[in-house]
Amino acid sequence: EVQLVESGGGLVQPGRSLRLSCAASGFTFDEYATHWVRQGPGKGLEWVAGISWNSDNIAYADSVKGRFTISRDNAKNSLYLQMNTLRPEDTALYYCVAPRLRYNWNYGAYFPHWGQGTLVTVSS
Amino acid sequence: YVLTQPPSVSVAPGQTAWVTCGGNNIESKRVHWYHQKPGQAPVLVVYDDNDRPSGIPERFSGSNSGNTATLTISRVEAGDEADYYCQVWDSSSDHVVFGGGTKLTVL
Repeated sequence: EVQLVESGGGLVQPGRSLRLSCAASGFTFDEYATHWVRQGPGKGLEWVAGISWNSDNIAYADSVKGRFTISRDNAKNSLYLQMNTLRPEDTALYYCVAPRLRYNWNYGAYFPHWGQGTLVTVSS
Repeated sequence: YVLTQPPSVSVAPGQTAWVTCGGNNIESKRVHWYHQKPGQAPVLVVYDDNDRPSGIPERFSGSNSGNTATLTISRVEAGDEADYYCQVWDSSSDHVVFGGGTKLTVL
């Protein structure tokens, strides 16, 4: 069974940093792209960033580009999101998500696998 | 790339609900649909326009033509009440794009 477990969320002041982690199990992590998706309180889903299985392809939403960095450690079956210069509008539940298809970066970017999310609150 | 969904759709039990997702030439893209109930993570209900993951009832189907993709829910049940999101991959920007979401209310 695929499991994605996020951690690292919390309350942080504007302008500070936070690093999220996602521990993956139940599948061959190094064969799949993985992504972060967030959902602000009472709001819809917003894709944040994605990384291919070998880290050759990385993409960011315009709202976080230059502030957030996505990375992965295949040896540890883990995905990360380094979030710098946080803003109140970054307040959200952050989900780690994985696709169905192996070795696919584009047309297979849909997500049957979601973690339960980790909550990030940016407030003074 | 922008995906536009109606904020809300209402339907009586046993009837059919249609949730639309508008985008420029969306028929050239593969559209995926999720539902999300309060306090839960989203669940994929349709992928690649009209395929269903295992465990999703046949009552859920999709179509995609022109500038509009549609999720059709037949014989709606009270348990179908949820927020529904469409999603595509935008190859011009290498971005995943979600629609704004539609709240389905079962009357």
